[in-house]
Amino acid sequence: GAVVSQHPSWVICKSGTSVKIECRSLDFQATTMFWYRQFPKQSLMLMATSNEGSKATYEQGVEKDKFLINHASLTLSTLTVTSAHPEDSSFYICSARAGARETQYFGPGTRLLVL
Amino acid sequence: GQQVMQIPQYQHVQEGEDFTTYCNSSTTLSNIQWYKQRPGGHPVFLIQLVKSGEVKKQKRLTFQFGEAKKNSSLHITATQTTDVGTYFCAGRETGTASKLTFGTGTRLQVTL
Repeated sequence: GAVVSQHPSWVICKSGTSVKIECRSLDFQATTMFWYRQFPKQSLMLMATSNEGSKATYEQGVEKDKFLINHASLTLSTLTVTSAHPEDSSFYICSARAGARETQYFGPGTRLLVL
Repeated sequence: GQQVMQIPQYQHVQEGEDFTTYCNSSTTLSNIQWYKQRPGGHPVFLIQLVKSGEVKKQKRLTFQFGEAKKNSSLHITATQTTDVGTYFCAGRETGTASKLTFGTGTRLQVTL
């Protein structure tokens, strides 16, 4: 199947710093990318949907100024957690799909720990 | 908004026993997908069901989509320790939004 990569896989940072997470579709062009967050023993919660070249659509309760999403190309989307705090510690997972009817492929996730 | 619930939340079985997880959506779905997430891992796509009443099999796994396209089930026959993980259903609502909403998940533990 299609491959989606994320970098970094693990990040530990101090409170107040910003963290950038990259999501890449390696063998297909992703018109849409999704960012999810998963807290321990919970389900995946959609944070935002981004289409290449346009602004991301954020889910209710997700602060767009805190979670900056850039989908600059058909193979790359980035999520920047600005001024991270301990409560932002979570497992962040991106997924990508080639078109509206296509399967969504998930990246391996990024574990963020904010001290 | 759309809600997708799964039961049970957790199930512990002995190897060789069968297992079923049920998925119920508050709204009608255009399709439903199933994922497996191993401990410490990320969700891995298993299957997608599209048609009302559809049944698909993958070896020991049987997936079913309800007639009303609001519920689904995953049945594992003769579980093995390799089946351990959390199983999520994810439903896509009808309409143009095509957002995938994940179910609450069922964690399966299998012991010898």
